[in-house]
Amino acid sequence: NAGVMQNPRHLVRRRGQEARLRCSPMKGHSHVYWYRQLPEEGLKFMVYLQKENIIDESGMPKERFSAEFPKEGPSILRIQQVVRGDSAAYFCASSPQGSGTYNEQFFGPGTRLTVL
Amino acid sequence: DQQVKQNSPSLSVQEGRISILNCDYTNSMFDYFLWYKKYPAEGPTFLISISSIKDKNEDGRFTVFLNKSAKHLSLHIVPSQPGDSAVYFCAASSLTGNQFYFGTGTSLTVIP
Repeated sequence: NAGVMQNPRHLVRRRGQEARLRCSPMKGHSHVYWYRQLPEEGLKFMVYLQKENIIDESGMPKERFSAEFPKEGPSILRIQQVVRGDSAAYFCASSPQGSGTYNEQFFGPGTRLTVL
Repeated sequence: DQQVKQNSPSLSVQEGRISILNCDYTNSMFDYFLWYKKYPAEGPTFLISISSIKDKNEDGRFTVFLNKSAKHLSLHIVPSQPGDSAVYFCAASSLTGNQFYFGTGTSLTVIP
């Protein structure tokens, strides 16, 4: 049973370009979460999605960031017109159930985004 | 606003001794707490959890203690092994919430 997959593992973009980060949850998991870790900080929640639905995006910056989890395929975190402050490690997690139950989230290896 | 705090950025312990990692939280709505372990260039790995109806949960060498009145939890590792060297994150959530709130991590070094 493969774990949470993220790709690419490392992504380098110049300021103003777009970054697309992909996440495939564990088999049987339909709940996906994106977190961001800035240097010397803990993981900060960004968005929670189920298939074709954004459930909670309270941690997403209002501009330039978007996320989707289509019926088929991986979840995508998209950052438009990247700036240097977007440089961070982006982690995806999945769980078999969402809020209303106690269950851990399983994390992928992360994508390290570097903006030049 | 940091709702989960780990005030010790690092900790060094001799192999075979006990490691105690601490975590404080401010939100009284939190009722589910977890510890994750993270190696460099990897994602966090779930270690152990506890719900607010308990004050202790044990799994092998790892024990988590919860003091609700003090809004404090701790992770005990006994005996500590060199392979335990990693960054440990405390996380908290509520049954009705959608996200985990993470502390800033404690880097544990177990000296052989």
